[in-house]
Amino acid sequence: GAVVSQHPSRVICKSGTSVKIECRSLDFQATTMFWYRQFPKQSLMLMATSNEGSKATYEQGVEKDKFLINHASLTLSTLTVTSAHPEDSSFYICSARRTGDNSPLHFGNGTRLTVT
Amino acid sequence: KNQVEQSPQSLIILEGKNCTLQCNYTVSPFSNLRWYKQDTGRGPVSLTIMTFSENTKSNGRYTATLDADTKQSSLHITASQLSDSASYICVSQRGNRGGGNKLTFGTGTQLKVEL
Repeated sequence: GAVVSQHPSRVICKSGTSVKIECRSLDFQATTMFWYRQFPKQSLMLMATSNEGSKATYEQGVEKDKFLINHASLTLSTLTVTSAHPEDSSFYICSARRTGDNSPLHFGNGTRLTVT
Repeated sequence: KNQVEQSPQSLIILEGKNCTLQCNYTVSPFSNLRWYKQDTGRGPVSLTIMTFSENTKSNGRYTATLDADTKQSSLHITASQLSDSASYICVSQRGNRGGGNKLTFGTGTQLKVEL
């Protein structure tokens, strides 16, 4: 079946540095990928929709200059957390789907970001 | 307001027992209702997707139901196993026209299966 690979699974960085998270669709092309953030015991919150070859669409309240998204190919989207602060510590998850609005979303296994 | 509410918030059952998780949604326009299983520290995995015309759908020991009139869904787990311990997330997708295909996530039901 379809697989979405997310890397790294865990990252610890110092405050003020930037961290890049990769999301790859391994056996299908994804023109659209999604980035979520999840705090403990809370629901997934959509941060942005990543569109191949064009600018990402950010949800209200998400700073586009802080969370840089690049979707340079049909199988790869990256999320860069710039100038990270401890409050950015969270679980970041990406997802993608083949085609069709009713097709299942395939999620990556998430990235646990800890900013010290 | 587009919302998805799940109950119970958490549940503990003995291995081998059945359980039912509930989901109420107020999403409009409605496109489909999804159930996902999320293991701790992992991404969610799709269990079922149901559109307006579907009342029930099974995936192994998981059976989801949908009542589009009352806007309720349930996920029934039969003969639970220790590996069923996870968070079960109900997700409703809005339709394309007026809804932008947006997904609304519930906060999940944390299930723990014990010996």
